[in-house]
Amino acid sequence: EVQLVESGGGLVQPGRSLRLSCSASGFNFGEYAMSWVRQAPGKGLEWVGFIRSKDYGGTSEYAASVRGRFTISRDDSKSIAHLQMNSLKSEDTAVYYCTRDFDYYNSRGFDYWGQGSLVIVSS
Amino acid sequence: ETVLTQSPGTLSLSPGERATLSCRASQRISSNYLAWYQQKPGQAPRLLIYGASSRATGIPDRFSGSGSGTDFTLTIRSLEPEDFAVYYCQQYGRSVKTFGQGTKVEIK
Repeated sequence: EVQLVESGGGLVQPGRSLRLSCSASGFNFGEYAMSWVRQAPGKGLEWVGFIRSKDYGGTSEYAASVRGRFTISRDDSKSIAHLQMNSLKSEDTAVYYCTRDFDYYNSRGFDYWGQGSLVIVSS
Repeated sequence: ETVLTQSPGTLSLSPGERATLSCRASQRISSNYLAWYQQKPGQAPRLLIYGASSRATGIPDRFSGSGSGTDFTLTIRSLEPEDFAVYYCQQYGRSVKTFGQGTKVEIK
């Protein structure tokens, strides 16, 4: 059974940093891209960024709203993806979801999602 | 960057009725890399459709997707009580994977 479990959320002051983790199980983690999606309270879904599998370079791409502040990394030996969030702003307050993704030529949308981790940016 | 516009914002229907949701892209979506998701309150989204028209694993056949280029449609043939939710379209391109703003399907 595929499972994605996020951790690391919480309350953080503006300008500070936070790192979310996504622990994966039930599939060969190294063969997949991984994406992060967030949802501000009462709002819609916003794609944050993704990291390709090592076969496709292991590089990452980001939404304009977080580019330069957020970094996605992966540790295939531990089946974990991380979202490092720096210079946090109040508008980054949201539930953050980790999702299983696919490299471009095999893309099929985000077929598995974690339960989400709440990040609140406030003083 | 491709912008996805969903319409209507809210759809008020009764169980048993047909729901038709629209998603329009600001530029052509290559390879029809367009997905639809369902989200219920307090839950993570669920993938319904990928590749514009392929149903994801375990999705009932009352859900169907169609379209190509810039215009896409999600149809729910006969609404069941559990189908009242918010629906999002998404394009999953080579570098950017944006969502539409969502359509809420509510009970009339």
